Amino acid sequence: QSVLTQPPSVSGAPGQRVTISCTGSSSNIGAGYDVHWYQQLPGTAPKLLIYANTNRPSGVPDRFSGSKSGTSASLAITGLQAEDEADYYCQSYDSSLSGSAVFGGGTKLTVL
Amino acid sequence: EVQLVESEGGLVQPGGSLRLSCAASGFTFSDHYMDWVRQAPGEGLEWVGRIRDKANSYTTQYAASVKGRFTISRDDSKNSLFLQMNSLKTEDTAVYYCARVGRNSGSYRWGQGTLVTVSS
Repeated sequence: QSVLTQPPSVSGAPGQRVTISCTGSSSNIGAGYDVHWYQQLPGTAPKLLIYANTNRPSGVPDRFSGSKSGTSASLAITGLQAEDEADYYCQSYDSSLSGSAVFGGGTKLTVL
Repeated sequence: EVQLVESEGGLVQPGGSLRLSCAASGFTFSDHYMDWVRQAPGEGLEWVGRIRDKANSYTTQYAASVKGRFTISRDDSKNSLFLQMNSLKTEDTAVYYCARVGRNSGSYRWGQGTLVTVSS
C-alpha cells in the first residue's frame, strides 16, 4: 500500500489530453512538501518529468505539466503521442515517516 | 551531464550479503544528499535510504524494511556511493537505483539500476 495514491491505469487516443492524479494526506503533500513526477519507459530507469509541482527540466516537452492543490497533485499530458506510453510515478516526502521519501504506486498510461 | 552508474548486482542466497556501488560524475557529488531506491519485479518504486552530505554529518536514514540490515556510505573523494546489504531476504529481490537528490527541490536524477536477486 503506497503512501501516495495514483490510479493504476489511464488511457487516451493520440492527440488527446489525459491527467494522472496523486492523492496524499496532511503529513505529505498537504504539509507543503513538493511533488515530483517521473516517467518510466519499459525496461528503463525512471526519468524526472516534473519537479517542485510545476517545473519541467530542460528537454521535457511542454506537453507535460504539473499542478498541486491541498493534499493532491496532478500530471497532465496534452497531445498524446505513442511514445508517451509508460509508467508514471509521483513522489514527495512525509513528516510522519521522519521526512522519508514516499512514492505513488504508479500509473500505466496506454496510448490507444 | 549527471551520470550515475551502479555496479553489477547479482544472485545471492538468502541470508547472504552484497555490496553495491554507484559512481557519480557530471556534478559536485559532495554537495548532494544521495538515496537508494528499489523496484521489485513488476512493482512500484520503494525508497530504501538516504545519506546526507558532510555539512549534515553524513547522517543516514533507512526504510523500516531494511533498517538494521542495510548500510549506506559514501566516499566524496571518489565520487562514490555504497549500499551494503546484509541478511538478505527473498523480498529484497529488486532493481536497485542510485539517485541524486536535488539540493533545492528534493527531486531525483537516477542511475540505470542494477538487479539483485535473492534466491536459493
